[in-house]
Amino acid sequence: DAGVTQSPTHLIKTRGQHVTLRCSPISGHKSVSWYQQVLGQGPQFIFQYYEKEERGRGNFPDRFSARQFPNYSSELNVNALLLGDSALYLCASSLGFVTGGDNSPLHFGNGTRLTVT
Amino acid sequence: TQLLEQSPQFLSIQEGENLTVYCNSSSVFSSLQWYRQEPGEGPVLLVTVVTGGEVKKLKRLTFQFGDARKDSSLHITAAQPGDTGLYLCAGGLISNFGNEKLTFGTGTRLTIIP
Repeated sequence: DAGVTQSPTHLIKTRGQHVTLRCSPISGHKSVSWYQQVLGQGPQFIFQYYEKEERGRGNFPDRFSARQFPNYSSELNVNALLLGDSALYLCASSLGFVTGGDNSPLHFGNGTRLTVT
Repeated sequence: TQLLEQSPQFLSIQEGENLTVYCNSSSVFSSLQWYRQEPGEGPVLLVTVVTGGEVKKLKRLTFQFGDARKDSSLHITAAQPGDTGLYLCAGGLISNFGNEKLTFGTGTRLTIIP
């Protein structure tokens, strides 16, 4: 079975531009979460979506937005890019609403490496 | 502000040695998870602990959750080059929606020298 897939794998943008990152969860998983991992740090939670509704939001500005589609895939959008947005963006899917733990563990994709110049 | 501090930040040891990585916080977590991340890949879940004082073993890896559910440790016995990677702890906090939101630690980059 395919794992969590993210596209593109790498992306270079300039300041002020907009970017859309895509994620396809594992088949049957209804929850998708997005994380930002800056070089040398642990991932930071951005959003969780479950059944197409936002179920959690981290401490990120309104320039960050996301949505989940009827097929449970998801997009993360970032507007007005800043140099500090350069990071690895990770998508994780899980079976249920209560993510994490043994009952509904998170499965991460390999991420999209975004570089803002 | 990082809720979870991991120590050490970097660790480089010889194959066959033992090591311990620590994850500390002032917050109480509903669960504590450990992940390993290799270059170019996403984190992979190793274990979840949910009860204060709980100890779980995964082959040569031993995980312990603190009695107060604020801290955790990962002990590796007889380290092997395949153990090399970034080790991340993540604490679960129940959100207003009733689901568990994960907060990741700062990470420990482990290198095992053959």
